[in-house]
Amino acid sequence: ETGVTQTPRHLVMGMTNKKSLKCEQHLGHNAMYWYKQSAKKPLELMFVYNFKEQTENNSVPSRFSPECPNSSHLFLHLHTLQPEDSALYLCASSQDSAGGYPSYNEQFFGPGTRLTVL
Amino acid sequence: AQSVTQLDSQVPVFEEAPVELRCNYSSSVSVYLFWYVQYPNQGLQLLLKYLSGSTLVKGINGFEAEFNKSQTSFHLRKPSVHISDTAEYFCAVSVGEYGGSQGNLIFGKGTKLSVKP
Repeated sequence: ETGVTQTPRHLVMGMTNKKSLKCEQHLGHNAMYWYKQSAKKPLELMFVYNFKEQTENNSVPSRFSPECPNSSHLFLHLHTLQPEDSALYLCASSQDSAGGYPSYNEQFFGPGTRLTVL
Repeated sequence: AQSVTQLDSQVPVFEEAPVELRCNYSSSVSVYLFWYVQYPNQGLQLLLKYLSGSTLVKGINGFEAEFNKSQTSFHLRKPSVHISDTAEYFCAVSVGEYGGSQGNLIFGKGTKLSVKP
């Protein structure tokens, strides 16, 4: 595997289900991100992990729960979602610098998980 | 706060014609600018970026963009498009060194480029 991979590619779930999205990066990066891409809305940053520590949580509802067990893996745990949560969920990674200074390196994106909530 | 405006949601163009996709941004601090492309059923791929130096930036697949600070623009151009350029294009801005982290990429709403034979 190369780059950033995401599984599953497609997911259909009911509002009472619990599921998880998985992201893995094979680039040796130290920062990982979750984005939500909805129709007719800009790409929304959800969570940022830098050196396995969560550094951003952009007012995301608690029904979305991220987990970053190591710098190569990122999960998004889903429970009691709403139909409006249906979207493409994109994972990305980058090589960020230490000390909180931005490195300006590009973010590498996975292919996304197309989520449909019934 | 930073924001990005992509003025055209859809741009249809014939094959081998030139194309310009417009992007304007607003920011009170120095910014770094990016163009990403998203092909159907794929993630985003970086086309090019402006960090500093020459205001004309060349990217992959024959695309280029020009940073214009006075007009706060970063328009994307290609002199001759191909059918394979059909995709959605996103302009993005990140804050400068006195601002937030690399994670704060602010994206525009995207422009769908449709190249017709």
